[in-house]
Amino acid sequence: NAGVTQTPKFQVLKTGQSMTLQCAQDMNHEYMSWYRQDPGMGLRLIHYSVGAGITDQGEVPNGYNVSRSTTEDFPLRLLSAAPSQTSVYFCASSYSIQSDTEAFFGQGTRLTVV
Amino acid sequence: GESVGLHLPTLSVQEGDNSIINCAYSNSASDYFIWYKQESGKGPQFIIDIRSNMDKRQGQRVTVLLNKTVKHLSLQIAATQPGDSAVYFCAEITWWVSGNTGKLIFGQGTTLQVKP
Repeated sequence: NAGVTQTPKFQVLKTGQSMTLQCAQDMNHEYMSWYRQDPGMGLRLIHYSVGAGITDQGEVPNGYNVSRSTTEDFPLRLLSAAPSQTSVYFCASSYSIQSDTEAFFGQGTRLTVV
Repeated sequence: GESVGLHLPTLSVQEGDNSIINCAYSNSASDYFIWYKQESGKGPQFIIDIRSNMDKRQGQRVTVLLNKTVKHLSLQIAATQPGDSAVYFCAEITWWVSGNTGKLIFGQGTTLQVKP
């Protein structure tokens, strides 16, 4: 059982480049989300999805796009990378977002924008 | 506004002592609170949770206390071990029945250092 798989683990981008961070889960979870983690800032919610075809903005959505065409996949797109987007990105999934649920996290993607 | 915060960025304890990590939250409408543990280089891992209609929940060596009057959450770790060294995050879920959606929001984290 793979759980939540994020790719790539590491990425260096030049300012202005675009890329997609991949997230896949094999637990048939409805709820998926993306966070970024910066020193001293904790994890901040970028975008989330309560099911296929449904996405919504979190705390820091600017500069990022998401889509949820399948239950399994929730890619995060950086449209035009900026140095301020240098961070560690975590994808999470859970059965639902209501109580009595546990969120499972991927191992993270460390992104550096130069 | 909506925020979840922890009182101290770093907590240092002696091995075998009990640890108490605190968290203050501001959204009184939050339904559910969770503590996560993050070890270096890894994603956060679920430790224990508590619903807003409870004030205490116990797990294996961990206890979470919720005081809704002062919007305060704490994680107590009994007999702290070196393997407990990590960053601990409190998080809250706010659920909107009307929209059938909700958000999981994290606080800033407390680094627990266990001295041998």
